[in-house]
Amino acid sequence: SQTIHQWPATLVQPVGSPLSLECTVEGTSNPNLYWYRQAAGRGLQLLFYSVGIGQISSEVPQNLSASRPQDRQFILSSKKLLLSDSGFYLCAWSVQGAPEAFFGQGTRLTVV
Amino acid sequence: AQRVTQPEKLLSVFKGAPVELKCNYSYSGSPELFWYVQYSRQRLQLLLRHISRESIKGFTADLNKGETSFHLKKPFAQEEDSAMYYCALYSDYKLSFGAGTTVTVRA
Repeated sequence: SQTIHQWPATLVQPVGSPLSLECTVEGTSNPNLYWYRQAAGRGLQLLFYSVGIGQISSEVPQNLSASRPQDRQFILSSKKLLLSDSGFYLCAWSVQGAPEAFFGQGTRLTVV
Repeated sequence: AQRVTQPEKLLSVFKGAPVELKCNYSYSGSPELFWYVQYSRQRLQLLLRHISRESIKGFTADLNKGETSFHLKKPFAQEEDSAMYYCALYSDYKLSFGAGTTVTVRA
């Protein structure tokens, strides 16, 4: 069966420090991959999505970037964190061409 | 561009009362719409999709293209329905979510 792993579960980082959140999927090939941010009062905001290795689409301009170095690995990064980057980050995957998304447990990021 | 609007951030109902969560969308094509739910300390998960016209945990949702709505309804709310609910629209390889509605069912 397919599983999605996302880590770490919680993270406290100082302003100006780098960020790397990792997400991996098992049990499927060539999935669509997504990064969302869940901010209080703003719902679930799509940050990036990828339909294949090295293919990244950004939905909103921001301080973050994403990469997909392997088929089932999706990484969210920042060179210098801002206070406004605090939030709950969710990774998700879906089968190519199918709309249902499966979510990871999420990472609670607090920038201090 | 597509957009999903959930006008209610919070919804509080008594157990046994009907509950309706509103969702409106804007999309130029033929939409694929979904409701996702996140229970406390659990992952966000699919509740139901409009295309299957199913009832899950007593919830139903009807797509109204004329009103561009996809409201979620349940005739008799239960305490275990307390959760965060998101309406979502799928297009161009991506799921776009509304802001979400937190439902609290009181005994």
